[in-house]
Amino acid sequence: GQQVMQIPQYQHVQEGEDFTTYCNSSTTLSNIQWYKQRPGGHPVFLIQLVKSGEVKKQKRLTFQFGEAKKNSSLHITATQTTDVGTYFCADTGAGSYQLTFGKGTKLSVIP
Amino acid sequence: GAVVSQHPSRVICKSGTSVKIECRSLDFQATTMFWYRQFPKQSLMLMATSNEGSKATYEQGVEKDKFLINHASLTLSTLTVTSAHPEDSSFYICSALQGDRNQPQHFGDGTRLSIL
Repeated sequence: GQQVMQIPQYQHVQEGEDFTTYCNSSTTLSNIQWYKQRPGGHPVFLIQLVKSGEVKKQKRLTFQFGEAKKNSSLHITATQTTDVGTYFCADTGAGSYQLTFGKGTKLSVIP
Repeated sequence: GAVVSQHPSRVICKSGTSVKIECRSLDFQATTMFWYRQFPKQSLMLMATSNEGSKATYEQGVEKDKFLINHASLTLSTLTVTSAHPEDSSFYICSALQGDRNQPQHFGDGTRLSIL
């Protein structure tokens, strides 16, 4: 089945530093969704990318979808302690309702 | 909007017990709901897809007789872990799809199941 690779697995940053997590696949991704899961919580939808080369911004968060639709990234500028959590990318797959999740990147922010 | 309620949030029970977990979409109708399992520090693994009024579709390696799913209405899906054993201890999360596949999934708060 389809696999979505996500790196890094963990990232520790000083508050104010930037953070980036990357997802990639050997096959073409359909719709990339990004979720954030706080410790002890459930995944919360952040954004969806559909088009090749698409870039979307939410305040300090920038989401990109690669031109070949085989990779995606989430970049956080000037991290804050409220950004702590695990960020997952997920792909819907062609014609599917199901999400295939990456392994997630756990972000720790040192105040 | 798009709130999904999952109950109970935590269960601790003896080996051999059957445990039922409910997933409700509170303010929308969900034709499709999903059940995931998440081990500590790991990603979400899809267990099954639940469609209202029809049998659930299970992922490879998931025992359908072990994990019974019932999607009786457009707002309720249940997962019953039958004759639970310690290896079934995990975090179970449901999600509900509002609309078509291009819409985000809305997740419940999860159920932490501990089998003694």
